[in-house]
Amino acid sequence: QTVVTQEPSLTVSPGGTVTLTCASSTGAVTDDFSPTWFQQKPGQAPRVLVYTTVNKDAWTPARFSGSLLGGKAALTLSGAQPEDEAEYFCLLWDGVSWVFGGGTKLTVL
Amino acid sequence: QVQLQESGPGLVKPSETLSLTCSVSGVSLSSGGPHFCWVRQPPGKGLEHIGCFTYGRGTNYNPSLKSRLTISQDTSRNQFSLRLSSVTAADTAFYFCAKVGDNWRQSDWGQGTLVTVSS
Repeated sequence: QTVVTQEPSLTVSPGGTVTLTCASSTGAVTDDFSPTWFQQKPGQAPRVLVYTTVNKDAWTPARFSGSLLGGKAALTLSGAQPEDEAEYFCLLWDGVSWVFGGGTKLTVL
Repeated sequence: QVQLQESGPGLVKPSETLSLTCSVSGVSLSSGGPHFCWVRQPPGKGLEHIGCFTYGRGTNYNPSLKSRLTISQDTSRNQFSLRLSSVTAADTAFYFCAKVGDNWRQSDWGQGTLVTVSS
């Protein structure tokens, strides 16, 4: 089965910018993988931030954006806020099923 | 307002079958548009897609679980269920049910329920 890889942890300063990435073991990530990004805070269910690479869900703050970058899916946070400290998971369609990445724990410090 | 609630035993013995039900309100399972999914998360670890069904379009299963897995639905009760057979400790996880739009947009999730596999 496809393996989806994310950075295990990242740190960003308040007000700073950080990019999280999502790679597939099968090769370059394209729009066909329908990259989806979730935010999860402790004790809560995940929430969709971005779907089909670039589209934001209704609640998604404008400071989050999705893209493709260097063969990977990417989630960029511009102007980090303390409430953005959370775990972020990407999800890819590998042609057969959906596969989650291992998650990136983002610290705002 | 869409709401989902998982229910089922919190403790299952190894080699037995894990059974969970998701009760849905605010949207009909037979509406034919949304997908109804199960996702799990071992404590302190990442998410794993289990499977999704769409009324009239069938069910998509995680290939690594498919041989042990059944996702079914009861439209009269507006519930869908998960059965995972021959469980081991590796199946210990929080199990979430969710209603999602195409490509996971506009998703609604249950709060999750912890199932522990232990003798």
